[in-house]
Amino acid sequence: QSVLTQPPSVFGAPGQRVTISCTGSTSNIGAGFDVHWYQQLPRTAPKLLIYGDSNRPSGVPDRFSGSKSGTSASLAITGLQADDEADYYCQSYDSSLSGYVFGTGTKVTVL
Amino acid sequence: EVQLVESGGGLVQPGRSLRLSCAASGFTFNDYAMHWVRQAPGKGLEWVSGISWNSNSIGYADSVKGRFTISRDNAKNSLYLHINSLRPEDAAFYYCARVGLAGFDYWGQGTLVTVSS
Repeated sequence: QSVLTQPPSVFGAPGQRVTISCTGSTSNIGAGFDVHWYQQLPRTAPKLLIYGDSNRPSGVPDRFSGSKSGTSASLAITGLQADDEADYYCQSYDSSLSGYVFGTGTKVTVL
Repeated sequence: EVQLVESGGGLVQPGRSLRLSCAASGFTFNDYAMHWVRQAPGKGLEWVSGISWNSNSIGYADSVKGRFTISRDNAKNSLYLHINSLRPEDAAFYYCARVGLAGFDYWGQGTLVTVSS
């Protein structure tokens, strides 16, 4: 059972803005550990989308943005496109578990 | 070009052992920490284990502690995961991943472990 909770699914029309929440606790996100986000397209390996709460690796469009506040983090996707349909996972470090943890995952569907 | 290629997966009987390998190329392997992440078919990502560049720091998820052993051979640019006493719940795609500035910046394509008698 993951310690980072995400909504199972998010829906949006092309061009719209959607957000995905990642709720943790005082032993992970709330302790100040970095939050990273990954995009996993069907039948492929995950890809780093956001690192260090809000930074985009080279090549990731600025339509993707990350933020963090308290014990939660969020990923926003603006100008939603068909090829954004994927599963999205947050990740952080947990001091109680002494290891990394992933969120439960969110499937983004473009209507 | 950074490449991570996993191998060693397959169909294994419960209780048996298995060693997964990850061959790295395109970067200075001994400059980076490495991790294993698994994903059961149709399920989410689960962090399994990680190892520092010099093997001095190693960590495991509680679910695998005592049965899994991570190791690396910097001379061979390779990462390994030895799995003992395989259980049905260990069936998954196993990915190796590199730690970049922050986060896991490169992933392999995964190797599938199936556990069945």
